[in-house]
Amino acid sequence: GQQLNQSPQSMFIQEGEDVSMNCTSSSIFNTWLWYKQDPGEGPVLLIALYKAGELTSNGRLTAQFGITRKDSFLNISASIPSDVGIYFCAGPRRDDKIIFGKGTRLHILP
Amino acid sequence: DTAVSQTPKYLVTQMGNDKSIKCEQNLGHDTMYWYKQDSKKFLKIMFSYNNKELIINETVPNRFSPKSPDKAHLNLHINSLELGDSAVYFCASSHIDEQFFGPGTRLTVL
Repeated sequence: GQQLNQSPQSMFIQEGEDVSMNCTSSSIFNTWLWYKQDPGEGPVLLIALYKAGELTSNGRLTAQFGITRKDSFLNISASIPSDVGIYFCAGPRRDDKIIFGKGTRLHILP
Repeated sequence: DTAVSQTPKYLVTQMGNDKSIKCEQNLGHDTMYWYKQDSKKFLKIMFSYNNKELIINETVPNRFSPKSPDKAHLNLHINSLELGDSAVYFCASSHIDEQFFGPGTRLTVL
């Protein structure tokens, strides 16, 4: 069935570094969504992508909808401590159910 | 004003008990969901309601029964709680594919 594979599973970076993570699938998705979950909170939508090739920014975050429609990436520039959390990609399956990747855990080293 | 609210935030109970979690959204969305997040932080959809009607019911034991008295509320009742039910349960509502999550209810079954 349709699945979303996120990589890396975890990242340990220094404050100020840029971050890149991606999400891939063997199936085509027509929408890609990126969420962030802070500890003890619910996921919050960061960026929604609706068109193949689309590149969208939200502050220091940039996400792209791959032209094959089977992948998407999220970049964070100049990371800061509050970027720590779990980043999920998500998308609607053919039956319209939203599925989530397993998340990329971002840690910032002191 | 909280967009999607859940009560309680924490729920600790004994095996075999019956408990309910309430969810309300003030976003005017037609669709609401329940998700379960396990200890590995994997998010899995359980149910989806559109205008008070059940539209998605993933493979969830029938001990779990959602109830939607109106389109702004989606409650989750769980009968005969089991140890494996311990998790964080998130309510969400959506506009098209963009989902807005509640803060979560951490259920611990002893």
